[in-house]
Amino acid sequence: GDSVTQMEGPVTLSEEAFLTINCTYTATGYPSLFWYVQYPGEGLQLLLKATKADDKGSNKGFEATYRKETTSFHLEKGSVQVSDSAVYFCALSDGGTASKLTFGTGTRLQVTL
Amino acid sequence: NAGVMQNPRHLVRRRGQEARLRCSPMKGHSHVYWYRQLPEEGLKFMVYLQKENIIDESGMPKERFSAEFPKEGPSILRIQQVVRGDSAAYFCASSLGTVSYEQYFGPGTRLTVT
Repeated sequence: GDSVTQMEGPVTLSEEAFLTINCTYTATGYPSLFWYVQYPGEGLQLLLKATKADDKGSNKGFEATYRKETTSFHLEKGSVQVSDSAVYFCALSDGGTASKLTFGTGTRLQVTL
Repeated sequence: NAGVMQNPRHLVRRRGQEARLRCSPMKGHSHVYWYRQLPEEGLKFMVYLQKENIIDESGMPKERFSAEFPKEGPSILRIQQVVRGDSAAYFCASSLGTVSYEQYFGPGTRLTVT
């Protein structure tokens, strides 16, 4: 079945550092790919998405490119802020009838001053 | 436009009791998903419903768990005879449709079984 693997955390960075969180996937067909962010005590918010190969999703300074050849969707940000501290989840949707989401285990990011 | 509402936000049940979790989708959304997040894990799909129909329940445990989305009112996830292993955060998401439609998540219900 479908699966998502993302790097384990926690990831601790200083403010203004460069961020990369790796995500790779296994899926049949042509899934859509997503990054969600979860702040403490809250539900998930969609951060960005890409629906086909070579698409780049971007939002709030975060970017991720859908790489079909390496089955990857790595999340990057050039300069993180303390307010970016959260848990980040990579996910895919198989686009089938249900379009249910398959999530990775999440990566906790902590940004310090 | 109010977001996805879930209640209660926190629920404590003793082993053997029943837990009822409610989800009100965003206005105009007729597609509801339930996911479970165990401690330190990602979310796992449980069930997908449209009004009055269960479309995909492939992620639901075979026993004790049921879900409904009636014509009127919220979607309900029901867990009978809860056990400690049911302790988790349960998230509901709603969408306008399936393919290419975003799922909007509620704040979750944190169930603790004592």
